[in-house]
Amino acid sequence: QVQLQESGPGLVKPSQTLSLTCTVSGGSISSGGYYWSWIRQHPGKGLEWIGYIYYSGSTYYNPSLKSRVTISVDTSKNQFSLKLSSVTAADTAVYYCARGMEWEPHDPWGQGTLVTVSS
Amino acid sequence: SYVLTQPPSVSVAPGKTARITCGGNNIGSKSVHWYQQKPGQAPVLVIYYDSDRPSGIPERFSGSNSGNTATLTISRVEAGDEADYYCQVWDSSSDHLVVFGGGTKLTVL
Repeated sequence: QVQLQESGPGLVKPSQTLSLTCTVSGGSISSGGYYWSWIRQHPGKGLEWIGYIYYSGSTYYNPSLKSRVTISVDTSKNQFSLKLSSVTAADTAVYYCARGMEWEPHDPWGQGTLVTVSS
Repeated sequence: SYVLTQPPSVSVAPGKTARITCGGNNIGSKSVHWYQQKPGQAPVLVIYYDSDRPSGIPERFSGSNSGNTATLTISRVEAGDEADYYCQVWDSSSDHLVVFGGGTKLTVL
């Protein structure tokens, strides 16, 4: 079965770029027509969709974050990545990666990784 | 952009039925997915396409969707059902965007 695992720095300084990678195991990131999403959750708050990428490289972003977000895919490593620029304390959150497909639910999800923005 | 509205909290006694609503403009025309999230854990899919249950999810979990309201129903509630629940849709009117409801905290009394 497909599993996802987030990785990256747990602490990022304000104004810098947050970079996370999601490694997909148990299946190819290029197969099945799936979208690969990033979703975050501020401490004690709800889920916020950041964006997703299709294995071909097509991307869709949350309009509220679009100017600062880049999602990319590396099919050779079976990974996809998130970059969020110009971070502030408001970007402190648990970041999840998940698999989805148009109209379908996100399943499975990674375990999530906490990123704290602080100097 | 499309907005999903959930009550912040729902409380229910063990053995009773919990109903968690998700409101949205003509949500009945969309497919709704529901996730359960326990503290410190990633969300888990419990209902998809309004009323389908993934394997491993108890039959006590069911869903419906009509008009402006989708509902997640949990029958014979157990202490282990205490969690946050989120609804989610794809908003085709906004360039294939993903929308989550604000979440509902289910408390088992």
